[in-house]
Amino acid sequence: DTEVTQTPKHLVMGMTNKKSLKCEQHMGHRAMYWYKQKAKKPPELMFVYSYEKLSINESVPSRFSPECPNSSLLNLHLHALQPEDSALYLCASSQDPGARGYGYTFGSGTRLTVV
Amino acid sequence: GDSVTQMEGPVTLSEEAFLTINCTYTATGYPSLFWYVQYPGEGLQLLLKATKADDKGSNKGFEATYRKETTSFHLEKGSVQVSDSAVYFCALPDRGSTLGRLYFGRGTQLTVWP
Repeated sequence: DTEVTQTPKHLVMGMTNKKSLKCEQHMGHRAMYWYKQKAKKPPELMFVYSYEKLSINESVPSRFSPECPNSSLLNLHLHALQPEDSALYLCASSQDPGARGYGYTFGSGTRLTVV
Repeated sequence: GDSVTQMEGPVTLSEEAFLTINCTYTATGYPSLFWYVQYPGEGLQLLLKATKADDKGSNKGFEATYRKETTSFHLEKGSVQVSDSAVYFCALPDRGSTLGRLYFGRGTQLTVWP
């Protein structure tokens, strides 16, 4: 299995809702990432988990809450989002926590719309 | 700090034309370099990579050579197809304090017409 699987593919949520994005990989990668991508822009790093511990939080608002229950799973819990949070949310994993030699394997993303 | 600079798009070509997308980097030493491709409505896929100077990465007819003299990693393809229409990102890893971050270029939109 050489994939990163993200669910759901599309999500529409209201500003008072609570929802979660899920990411799963079975490649034995020990680093997992959340990125946010706005239209026609490169991805922006949000969080890095290395060996199931949060190692990077790029000053992301607390309405985004990551969770890594085990080495294969990564969740992103969403609460009280704003319309400007609408974007494509990408999960990625890497064999090497520094991604220095191997790069990332990305999922296909969750397209989030906040109404 | 380390960074990549990618040529502005969009790029529009006819099928079977030659493609070059320029990418230059700024870094101390010789970091790994990557090209990612994003097809419409999808996530990013690793297209090719080079891990040291003078390496050539290749995949699906695309090539890029890591040239330390010009600090470049230009993406080339000899004959593009309609199916190559996508956004292409050049990237390099942060080797400093933000382990795990990839620095992406701005992205270049390629449209290939039949």
